Amino acid sequence: GAVVSQHPSWVICKSGTSVKIECRSLDFQATTMFWYRQFPKQSLMLMATSNEGSKATYEQGVEKDKFLINHASLTLSTLTVTSAHPEDSSFYICSARKATSGGKGDEQYFGPGTRLTVT
Amino acid sequence: GNSVTQMEGPVTLSEEAFLTINCTYTATGYPSLFWYVQYPGEGLQLLLKATKADDKGSNKGFEATYRKETTSFHLEKGSVQVSDSAVYFCALHTGGFKTIFGAGTRLFVKA
Repeated sequence: GAVVSQHPSWVICKSGTSVKIECRSLDFQATTMFWYRQFPKQSLMLMATSNEGSKATYEQGVEKDKFLINHASLTLSTLTVTSAHPEDSSFYICSARKATSGGKGDEQYFGPGTRLTVT
Repeated sequence: GNSVTQMEGPVTLSEEAFLTINCTYTATGYPSLFWYVQYPGEGLQLLLKATKADDKGSNKGFEATYRKETTSFHLEKGSVQVSDSAVYFCALHTGGFKTIFGAGTRLFVKA
């Protein structure tokens, strides 16, 4: 299979602190990983596309200095929410595409998500 | 631009009822089409996909046919179960890096 894990699965932090979320592809190499944010009862909003060894590409309206993304290896990408505020509370989901893929028929493999609550 | 439109939910059905969730798309080129399912508190899982016109994707009793002439990819199941209660996302991918998701349709199945 193709398994993507996220850690932690949920986190509560105080306003002003930073939180790091890890996304790992467990049994495949992923040159591209994606970070999404999902508000309750809404669809996924793509935040950024992360390519191994290069800077992430952020979607319009997403603050790159607030949501730091690092894709240091073919199996790990991290999202750090800096100086978190209550409005950053959300469900963050990562996904990965296999390194050997690239065609339009290739699916994305999703992590289970991380629920962030900022108090 | 590329976009996906799904029927608004929630959809509430009784067990063993027939399910249809409509999905239409707008895309340049020839996209691949997907249905993903999200169970409560979890990430998304691929349910089925189709990569070219007239292809039918199927899995776990769900089916969807890629209709180029109507730019649709409606999800169907002949007999739903309580365990099918989830949010279903239609999506398209035209190559490159991005997948475009619909807004999601929440399905409730009553026993």
